[in-house]
Amino acid sequence: DTEVTQTPKHLVMGMTNKKSLKCEQHMGHRAMYWYKQKAKKPPELMFVYSYEKLSINESVPSRFSPECPNSSLLNLHLHALQPEDSALYLCASSQGVNSPLHFGNGTRLTVT
Amino acid sequence: GIQVEQSPPDLILQEGANSTLRCNFSDSVNNLQWFHQNPWGQLINLFYIPSGTKQNGRLSATTVATERYSLLYISSSQTTDSGVYFCASYMDSNYQLIWGAGTKLIIKP
Repeated sequence: DTEVTQTPKHLVMGMTNKKSLKCEQHMGHRAMYWYKQKAKKPPELMFVYSYEKLSINESVPSRFSPECPNSSLLNLHLHALQPEDSALYLCASSQGVNSPLHFGNGTRLTVT
Repeated sequence: GIQVEQSPPDLILQEGANSTLRCNFSDSVNNLQWFHQNPWGQLINLFYIPSGTKQNGRLSATTVATERYSLLYISSSQTTDSGVYFCASYMDSNYQLIWGAGTKLIIKP
């Protein structure tokens, strides 16, 4: 069983909808990440939170809004997405810089 | 920027076979990791291996940092080994991983 839990597993949303992806880790890690993965490609980094503060934003469109309520939780708020945003969204955590990265099982998002 | 090349891009084997996957870096390796992504999308960290050799069951990995490459060995392949294997390394001591394009492995029963 993964120690990084993501919900929901699947999500279908329209372009006018607002939804949120949730991630929780129970490993005491201080860094949490959102990645986006398209088919047959490696994951692409979107955001990194370190000690609950946004550390990296890889020029992600504002229709994606991250939130880190505490050191164990990470949310990704979605609004006015486009069909090209359909992808597998992966949450990950690590102890810190240059540490092993551990992924959740992902949310498969479809935008219609 | 740092370039990461994985080979081979695709590999099809019969159950029970052994295989070697390679990861080459254009610059110094920094805390290299190997991941396995199964057909359902689950991404598992197999090894965190900045240098040297590690073994975990039928899998082992070797990183030769001075020569900028890492190898992943899979012995006695099982169908559950199918999926995509990625190598990745951190860039400049920050949170950004540089990923290879992956090796897609198919193990036939």
